[in-house]
Amino acid sequence: DAGVIQSPRHEVTEMGQEVTLRCKPISGHDYLFWYRQTMMRGLELLIYFNNNVPIDDSGMPEDRFSAKMPNASFSTLKIQPSEPRDSAVYFCASSPTGPGYTFGSGTRLTVV
Amino acid sequence: GENVEQHPSTLSVQEGDSAVIKCTYSDSASNYFPWYKQELGKGPQLIIDIRSNVGEKKDQRIAVTLNKTAKHFSLHITETQPEDSAVYFCAASMGAQKLVFGQGTRLTINP
Repeated sequence: DAGVIQSPRHEVTEMGQEVTLRCKPISGHDYLFWYRQTMMRGLELLIYFNNNVPIDDSGMPEDRFSAKMPNASFSTLKIQPSEPRDSAVYFCASSPTGPGYTFGSGTRLTVV
Repeated sequence: GENVEQHPSTLSVQEGDSAVIKCTYSDSASNYFPWYKQELGKGPQLIIDIRSNVGEKKDQRIAVTLNKTAKHFSLHITETQPEDSAVYFCAASMGAQKLVFGQGTRLTINP
């Protein structure tokens, strides 16, 4: 099993540009989560999906952030337009029904 | 909603000694408490978890204890080794989804 796969690993973009982060969950996992990690705020849950349906997006900071899960094997997190304060490490995680989150290796986003 | 407090934020111990990290949670409905280890440049990795119907769980050198009345739980690492150096996170949730994480503890094992 390749685990949760995120791309890209690093992204540097200019303020105002659109950024798209990608995630492939573990096959058979029916939950998918997007987290953001910063020194100041730690690990924050942004949004999670169950069977491709968004369940809770209360952690999405602003309308500039959006997430989709068009099928069971792919999800995207989009920021448009990006701002320097969006700089962080973004993690995707998946889990089966029940315990057992598996995190991806993360995408380090830098907005200059 | 749930709030998880973790301490200490940094911990330095001599190799071979024990390390203890403590967390408190606010929502008495929470019933699942995992611990994650994060190494540099990697995502958090589950190392042990406990459910609210159990007071203690052990896996080799790692153990977790839970006090539901006081709403706190702890991670114990015995006979620490250099490879235990990492950032450790506790978390809590009702059910096993929507985990709320503590702020993390940076553990350093000194040779």
